Amino acid sequence: RKEVEQDPGPFNVPEGATVAFNCTYSNSASQSFFWYRQDCRKEPKLLMSVYSSGNEDGRFTAQLNRASQYISLLIRDSKLSDSATYLCVADSGGYQKVTFGTGTKLQVIP
Amino acid sequence: GAGVSQSPSNKVTEKGKDVELRCDPISGHTALYWYRQRLGQGLEFLIYFQGNSAPDKSGLPSDRFSAERTGESVSTLTIQRTQQEDSAVYLCASSLGPLGELFFGEGSRLTVL
Repeated sequence: RKEVEQDPGPFNVPEGATVAFNCTYSNSASQSFFWYRQDCRKEPKLLMSVYSSGNEDGRFTAQLNRASQYISLLIRDSKLSDSATYLCVADSGGYQKVTFGTGTKLQVIP
Repeated sequence: GAGVSQSPSNKVTEKGKDVELRCDPISGHTALYWYRQRLGQGLEFLIYFQGNSAPDKSGLPSDRFSAERTGESVSTLTIQRTQQEDSAVYLCASSLGPLGELFFGEGSRLTVL
């Protein structure tokens, strides 16, 4: 089983729609979780950290479910500019390195 | 500079030649990662440094690939006897510690003819 798994998509959604991505992680000892965004032919950049209590940043909401070992990202009122690949990240437990999922591609269409 | 710097930004080489890719992390960042990304694919982990040691080099695809880090700063990724399948963008990232936010460089695009 991969350490971090994501549905590769693509997710094609109309502008204004709400879309949600899930990501599962294999190590129950993982403590740090992030969502990154990667635009085409660009380097990944941090979108948001994921906290145990869940957190929100404008139209974006991240949640952690430790019991089922997954994190989620909810995007409300999708914009054309949200089109990108969204990468889920979890650490390997025991203060080891972080691991990226392969990413979920989102295309917001007019 | 303020960010992660990688050089060269573009490298075209002939099959069989050796190449060196350089990464200057953000000052004070102890963790450093190298990734490979082929066109349209996800990030492929290569190696992770904590300080000058590499506790995880499990992603290096063959013994043609090696990396080192000195002075808890600059890292060099070396690919010997390059093959066409080595063509990709090589991304370097650094963070304050093993669990912190990763800051990526813009990558080195390698094309092997």
